[in-house]
Amino acid sequence: QVQLVQSGAEVKQPGASVRLSCKASGYTFSSYYMHWVRQAPGQGLEWMGIIRPSDGATTYAQKFQDRITMSRDTSTSTVYMELGSLRSEDTAVYYCVKGGSSGWDYWGQGTLVTVSS
Amino acid sequence: AIQMTQSPSSLSASVGDRVTITCRASQGIRNDLSWYQQKPGKAPKLLIHAASSLQSGVPSRFSGSGSGTDFTLTISSLQPDDFATYYCLQDYNHPYTFGQGTKLEIK
Repeated sequence: QVQLVQSGAEVKQPGASVRLSCKASGYTFSSYYMHWVRQAPGQGLEWMGIIRPSDGATTYAQKFQDRITMSRDTSTSTVYMELGSLRSEDTAVYYCVKGGSSGWDYWGQGTLVTVSS
Repeated sequence: AIQMTQSPSSLSASVGDRVTITCRASQGIRNDLSWYQQKPGKAPKLLIHAASSLQSGVPSRFSGSGSGTDFTLTISSLQPDDFATYYCLQDYNHPYTFGQGTKLEIK
């Protein structure tokens, strides 16, 4: 069965960076895009960007363009999302999401990132 | 960026009611719209993709319709498990955007 297993919760100071991971299993990793979506406490969903695991091509939301990097390791079927220059507004649950022509059908369990001094 | 205007933002209804949630796109998005259900502390769950295609395993009381700019999610007969927050999503072009959400509460 398809699973996306994300790394554990993080606490970071303002100005730091965080690198999250998302390990995929149960499907052909290279065949489906992976999205990253975040949700601040009590707020809605926000798309951050997408990576194509087959070649590593990425597209980022302009809001994050200058401080986000997505990458992948095909040998372990894992995607990574690094967000730098963290501020308190980046406190959120971050989700990886398997994309496809039939909707975004599988979501990771989410990783809580807390930015606090 | 395409804006997705979802309404209502909250809704009180009773078990057995028929409920409709709407999403309007700021420009045409063909049928590149999906609907998600989210319960507190959980990841969103795909209900409908391509505006009207029911995801496997989702009860048939859920249905979607629309094309272009106007879309609806309908729950034909509310069940206790349906009280949650619902989001629409356009994946027509980048940046992909979600509606603001509709919180469906028990009356």
